[in-house]
Amino acid sequence: DAKTTQPTSMDCAEGRAANLPCNHSTISGNEYVYWYRQIHSQGPQYIIHGLKNNETNEMASLIITEDRKSSTLILPHATLRDTAVYYCIVRVHYNNYGQNFVFGPGTRLSVLP
Amino acid sequence: DTAVSQTPKYLVTQMGNDKSIKCEQNLGHDTMYWYKQDSKKFLKIMFSYNNKELIINETVPNRFSPKSPDKAHLNLHINSLELGDSAVYFCASSQVSAPYGYTFGSGTRLTVV
Repeated sequence: DAKTTQPTSMDCAEGRAANLPCNHSTISGNEYVYWYRQIHSQGPQYIIHGLKNNETNEMASLIITEDRKSSTLILPHATLRDTAVYYCIVRVHYNNYGQNFVFGPGTRLSVLP
Repeated sequence: DTAVSQTPKYLVTQMGNDKSIKCEQNLGHDTMYWYKQDSKKFLKIMFSYNNKELIINETVPNRFSPKSPDKAHLNLHINSLELGDSAVYFCASSQVSAPYGYTFGSGTRLTVV
């Protein structure tokens, strides 16, 4: 699976948009970009995923560049409860070994009042 | 509630003891996983079962033995516990054919003294 690079930490003011970048320059054509987050030692929570097109759900938006070498997770109106570690993972959707997600160190997002 | 549930939530035990952590999912998923999160907060996969069959077995001491009596349950038994086994253990499940990623349990904090 392709490797990802994320900033170690970021701050965001409450109510503003949080834009979390992820570089995945070695991504293959059949690899998806997934985002998870982990709030203070709780189990990681799935946020969103995408292949080529931008995606939006009730939690966030995912913007993937045309060359697919980077992406940005957008939390449109960050709240204090969005303070968490955010993981960007690149993974094929399925292989004979199931969906083995490899979690890196992620980005620690602090939403400030 | 539909979820991945783990028991116990906390486990404190002495070195050399044998302990088990239980995991159950009622999501109808066909694949279950055990992850370990150490003090440095890295999440590492340990095992994966698909329809009760072991499909991922990372480099884990053989003191760790997963057991899947059915596809809704994946238990983790640990023999001869060591100080280095102290960590948070997360169970997760997924439907391999669906692209929505994992659903994680809330974790079991194991402390070996």
